[in-house]
Amino acid sequence: SQKIEQNSEALNIQEGKTATLTCNYTNYSPAYLQWYRQDPGRGPVFLLLIRENEKEKRKERLKVTFDTTLKQSLFHITASQPADSATYLCALGDSSYKLIFGSGTRLLVRP
Amino acid sequence: EAQVTQNPRYLITVTGKKLTVTCSQNMNHEYMSWYRQDPGLGLRQIYYSMNVEVTDKGDVPEGYKVSRKEKRNFPLILESPSPNQTSLYFCASNKLAGGGPGELFFGEGSRLTVL
Repeated sequence: SQKIEQNSEALNIQEGKTATLTCNYTNYSPAYLQWYRQDPGRGPVFLLLIRENEKEKRKERLKVTFDTTLKQSLFHITASQPADSATYLCALGDSSYKLIFGSGTRLLVRP
Repeated sequence: EAQVTQNPRYLITVTGKKLTVTCSQNMNHEYMSWYRQDPGLGLRQIYYSMNVEVTDKGDVPEGYKVSRKEKRNFPLILESPSPNQTSLYFCASNKLAGGGPGELFFGEGSRLTVL
């Protein structure tokens, strides 16, 4: 069955450093991959979408890579700030109408 | 303001007592979907709808019903709730474009406890 893996352990980094989160998947050929941010008690908020034919996408301090050979996406936050502390979810979709989510990785940015 | 609104935000109920969680969006989106979020399991899709009167099962539809009589509303119905339906529920919507729902707009969530 389709499986998405995100590191369940929290990532704890110092302010100003680059945070790198990983999303791995198996038994799936997604047409696109998305990243969402979720704060405690709130709904997820869309951040970035990258398609299968794109290697990299950037938005301000965010960068996403998508390697369909490795079946992996990396999500980077450069110059991290305490306000970046949240849980980050990856989600995979294809031409159907289902979007499959990972369980998320919690990021903690220390001042 | 563009938004997805869910009600109630919090609910404690007892086994077997029918309940409905409402979801409404003001963005004229065709696609709407319900997810449940449980610790360690991530967001799992319950049902989705591509337009009025068009609904389909997601990955965990058992014990739930939905309807889409109007474009803006997509209620989630638990006919006979059980404790294993205790969870955090999210409604989401988007316009359909180029295959697939693309990015989703989520509501604030409804935390349901079934005793």
